[in-house]
Amino acid sequence: QLQLQESGPGLVKPSETLSLTCTVSGGSISSNRFYWGWIRQPPGKGLEWLGSIYYTGSTHFSPSLKGRVTISADTSKKQFSLRLSSVTAADTAVYFCARIGYSGFDPIFWGQGTLVTVSS
Amino acid sequence: DIQMTQSPSSLSASVGDRVTITCRASQSIGQHLSWYQQKTGKAPKLLIYAASNVESGVPSRFSGSGSGTDFTLTISSLQPEDFATYYCQQGYSNVVTFGQGTRLEIK
Repeated sequence: QLQLQESGPGLVKPSETLSLTCTVSGGSISSNRFYWGWIRQPPGKGLEWLGSIYYTGSTHFSPSLKGRVTISADTSKKQFSLRLSSVTAADTAVYFCARIGYSGFDPIFWGQGTLVTVSS
Repeated sequence: DIQMTQSPSSLSASVGDRVTITCRASQSIGQHLSWYQQKTGKAPKLLIYAASNVESGVPSRFSGSGSGTDFTLTISSLQPEDFATYYCQQGYSNVVTFGQGTRLEIK
């Protein structure tokens, strides 16, 4: 069955770049039915979508991140990655990788999430 | 972006109560709406997709309805394990947006 697993540093210094990778098992990231994306949740707050990548390589990002986010994919490794630059304490959150339906009717399938803390 | 507004933001209820949470979209999204339940420290769990389809394994006391801009999640008879935070999410746009969440607490 499908599984998504986030990996990466749990602690990042302010002004540096946060980098996370999601490894997909039990499915292909080359499917035309799905986007692959990142969603975060600051402690005690709600869910915020950061961006998504389609198997063609096309990407969509949250306007609120003002160009700080990039998402890439390596289909041969069944991985996709998030980079968030110039981080501050406000970027401290649990980061979830996710499979998002292209049609909009398919719900989100979530990874378990990983906490990233921004602190010196 | 499509804004999703949930109400109420928090709700106190008792075991056995019928509870309704609403979600309103800033523009029509057809039935491209999902509902999730989240407990502390866990990833959100899918309850409802395409506005009214109950995910396999989800108890029948959960139901969803609506289309266009107005949607509801109903729990017909609250159980102790239902006390959690609930989120709606629209998939109509490739810019995904969530409601701000409804925290359901024990009265």
